[in-house]
Amino acid sequence: DAKTTQPPSMDCAEGRAANLPCNHSTISGNEYVYWYRQIHSQGPQYIIHGLKNNETNEMASLIITEDRKSSTLILPHATLRDTAVYYCIVRLSYSSASKIIFGSGTRLSIRP
Amino acid sequence: EAGVAQSPRYKIIEKRQSVAFWCNPISGHATLYWYQQILGQGPKLLIQFQNNGVVDDSQLPKDRFSAERLKGVDSTLKIQPAKLEDSAVYLCASSLVSSGANVLTFGAGSRLTVL
Repeated sequence: DAKTTQPPSMDCAEGRAANLPCNHSTISGNEYVYWYRQIHSQGPQYIIHGLKNNETNEMASLIITEDRKSSTLILPHATLRDTAVYYCIVRLSYSSASKIIFGSGTRLSIRP
Repeated sequence: EAGVAQSPRYKIIEKRQSVAFWCNPISGHATLYWYQQILGQGPKLLIQFQNNGVVDDSQLPKDRFSAERLKGVDSTLKIQPAKLEDSAVYLCASSLVSSGANVLTFGAGSRLTVL
């Protein structure tokens, strides 16, 4: 079973910030939070990951709560191309043997 | 860098027939994964290789599914005999643990339809 809980769907207006929540209340101290997205008919694509500090890259920002039991992925200026299913995953970062288990994700729709 | 290559992209077979999917990971990536994605669901891990050894195959239906990764590079996933419920997209991914990141890169997938 997935170790994360996400809302099944969300929508956002184009140009606005999209904030996608994820609950991971059973996360252990050495597990990282990863986000991937899957655009229709493509394989999942890595977005960002973090341990306990907030992270930002060219695609998104990741905000992790102090207790690490939840996080939010922020797409600062959503475009129609951001329409996809977004997956939040927790796993050990340093171990290539650790499992990566996908839940059902959040289907994000961007309104023109 | 070249991505993860998969073939064929599409395959239609009748139940009880066999099918094979091929994956060539990113050069240097030691870990290779096969996922099954049924329409409307998230990807489900079938098998994970570290070089040419199996790390996890607990979700692989071993009575009909088999996978190998000879020489620790490319991999083949086989289904024999296929059932209707095997209709899905089969995704291959590879990863390299580097600087604390363990990021999976996925191929485009192979879509299987079993009639």
